[in-house]
Amino acid sequence: DIQMTQSPSSLSASVGDRVTITCRASESVSVWVAWYQQAPGRVPKLLIFDASTLESGVPQRFSGSGSGTEFTLTITSLQPDDFGTYYCQQYQDYASFGPGTQVEMK
Amino acid sequence: EVQLLESGGAVAQLGGSLRLSCEASGFIFENYAMAWVRQAPGKGLEWVSILSGSGLSDYYTDSVRGRFTISRDNSKNMLYLQMNSLRGEDTAVYYCAKDTTGGAPNYYFDSWGQGTLVTVSS
Repeated sequence: DIQMTQSPSSLSASVGDRVTITCRASESVSVWVAWYQQAPGRVPKLLIFDASTLESGVPQRFSGSGSGTEFTLTITSLQPDDFGTYYCQQYQDYASFGPGTQVEMK
Repeated sequence: EVQLLESGGAVAQLGGSLRLSCEASGFIFENYAMAWVRQAPGKGLEWVSILSGSGLSDYYTDSVRGRFTISRDNSKNMLYLQMNSLRGEDTAVYYCAKDTTGGAPNYYFDSWGQGTLVTVSS
């Protein structure tokens, strides 16, 4: 099974900050990584797939990069709607999610 | 607009059974693989099972294989999850999720339902 890890597990940031979240896979998953946002009390929302492709309707302040075993989600200017938990997910071999990174207001 | 509405969540006995349902609308249901993803209270996401658009190919995570069965009725736009031999670790919110393709699943999900809570109690 492919294990996904994320760092940090949580972070505090202010509106306007640049935020970077890292995701690592236990073996190569090529570019088969998606990122989701789960706002408090809400359902997960797909942000990025294929490591760097922005889902339709997602603001361009979100971007993804990486391949192989290391991936990054970047939010260039954090907005109030962006607080919540972010999950990476691999789909090279079935599906498995990272443990999540909680983005909290500083 | 894609809508997914789960139902069937309840308190179930250890070793018991439960059947979850998901009613889909707003897209051509038979053209998409559909999945169940769960989230234990205060925990992260875990993929449970997925079924191709035709209903002919199903896949399960190891911890539920042999106990859970995914199925669909394309004439009714419905997805199901039959859960047997329930364990405490099955306690979670179960989300119905739409895959991005219909044949061989892509295994990532562009629409999610609101979820239904399953609690397994002794």
